[in-house]
Amino acid sequence: AQSVTQLDSQVPVFEEAPVELRCNYSSSVSVYLFWYVQYPNQGLQLLLKYLSGSTLVKGINGFEAEFNKSQTSFHLRKPSVHISDTAEYFCAVSARTGANNLFFGTGTRLTVIP
Amino acid sequence: DADVTQTPRNRITKTGKRIMLECSQTKGHDRMYWYRQDPGLGLRLIYYSFDVKDINKGEISDGYSVSRQAQAKFSLSLESAIPNQTALYFCATSDSSQLAGTGRKLFFGSGTQLSVL
Repeated sequence: AQSVTQLDSQVPVFEEAPVELRCNYSSSVSVYLFWYVQYPNQGLQLLLKYLSGSTLVKGINGFEAEFNKSQTSFHLRKPSVHISDTAEYFCAVSARTGANNLFFGTGTRLTVIP
Repeated sequence: DADVTQTPRNRITKTGKRIMLECSQTKGHDRMYWYRQDPGLGLRLIYYSFDVKDINKGEISDGYSVSRQAQAKFSLSLESAIPNQTALYFCATSDSSQLAGTGRKLFFGSGTQLSVL
């Protein structure tokens, strides 16, 4: 099975500052990786995904993530955050074969401070 | 209208009661899922269905049952609710006809907040 570890449960950051949300995964097989965002009182929506090819993946709202196979990481970054980025962010992993369900991390709450 | 609709949005019930949460989708997706979200635990998969006749247990299926009444409808039942089933429940869908990887993209409903007293 696959698993995801998000080490930071809460990340406060000032507006216009850069941010990195960390994600490490564990799997015995090749995987796909995802970041989802949950705004207050809403369901989750896909931010970006790594399927294959370039290890640097760009998503919506100026976010990007880099797949690092040797470190089994998929950290999410944004060079300059906005108030509207305040939300909970979930990293998720799925095996490329088999039942291929998504396994989610415990989430990181990003709070952007004015 | 939302593509994935969950009803009710909020529900308060008592220990021992039977309760059903409903999910319907207009996306035409074949796969449907039920997750629960608990603070500090993220989302955990309860049940998933790859089509009307294919229903599978997820990580935490004990105490829950599901019914896939049609491709568009997937309901979750708590036969005898208990307080530790208090959580935010999400229904999600995906489209297996999409290319591998892309088909893993989940579309979520807005959630049902369930409180069991």
